[in-house]
Amino acid sequence: DTEVTQTPKHLVMGMTNKKSLKCEQHMGHRAMYWYKQKAKKPPELMFVYSYEKLSINESVPSRFSPECPNSSLLNLHLHALQPEDSALYLCASSQEEGRGYGYTFGSGTRLTVV
Amino acid sequence: GESVGLHLPTLSVQEGDNSIINCAYSNSASDYFIWYKQESGKGPQFIIDIRSNMDKRQGQRVTVLLNKTVKHLSLQIAATQPGDSAVYFCAEVGGTSYGKLTFGQGTILTVHP
Repeated sequence: DTEVTQTPKHLVMGMTNKKSLKCEQHMGHRAMYWYKQKAKKPPELMFVYSYEKLSINESVPSRFSPECPNSSLLNLHLHALQPEDSALYLCASSQEEGRGYGYTFGSGTRLTVV
Repeated sequence: GESVGLHLPTLSVQEGDNSIINCAYSNSASDYFIWYKQESGKGPQFIIDIRSNMDKRQGQRVTVLLNKTVKHLSLQIAATQPGDSAVYFCAEVGGTSYGKLTFGQGTILTVHP
C-alpha cells in the first residue's frame, strides 16, 4: 500500500459545528503532516507529527486541533471554523521528519464552511 | 526571509513541444528540492527530486536542473502531452526549515492538442 487516504473527500459544515478530518497510511511512515491549500495557492504547512508526537505547529488557530492516535492515523478536529477556513486540507506522510525523505500526499478533503 | 518562487505563473504549449518550468529560491542553505504535479481535485504528486550536490537529474520524460550559483531550479518536460496539463510546484526541504516542505507559487501548464 503506497497511498495516503483521506476522508471525507468533501465536507460542508456550519460555523458552530464540530467535525473531524481523517488521514491514514500503511507505509510505515513515522512523520505525518497537515497542509492547507487555498484555491490557486501552494499548500501551506499547518502541523507536523513525528513518531506520534507534535513536532511543528505553524501558529495555527486553536479551532484546528490535530491528533495522532497511532503511527498510521492522523486526525484534524475542527470546531467553530470561519468561512475563510474553507480550503483543501491535505495530509502527507514521509519515512521520517526532515531532509531527504520522500513525501506522499493524499487527495485532500475539500472543506466548505458556511 | 526564505522563499521559493516561480518566474511564470502560466505556460501554454502545443502537444509534442518541450516545456520548461522555472523556479527561484532565496535560501542558499536549501539542499533538497522536489517538483510536484497537482491535477484538479487531487493532492500533489511527486515528479522528480534533486539534491544540492547535483546539477541535473533525469527521469522519464522529465529533467530537473539546479543552478546553485543563481539559486534557480527548472523542470523540463519532453514531448509534452495533454495529460501533463496541471499545476506544477517546486518545493524545498532543508536549510533552516528542517522538517518543513516549503512550496513555491506554482505554474499552470496547459497543453493544447
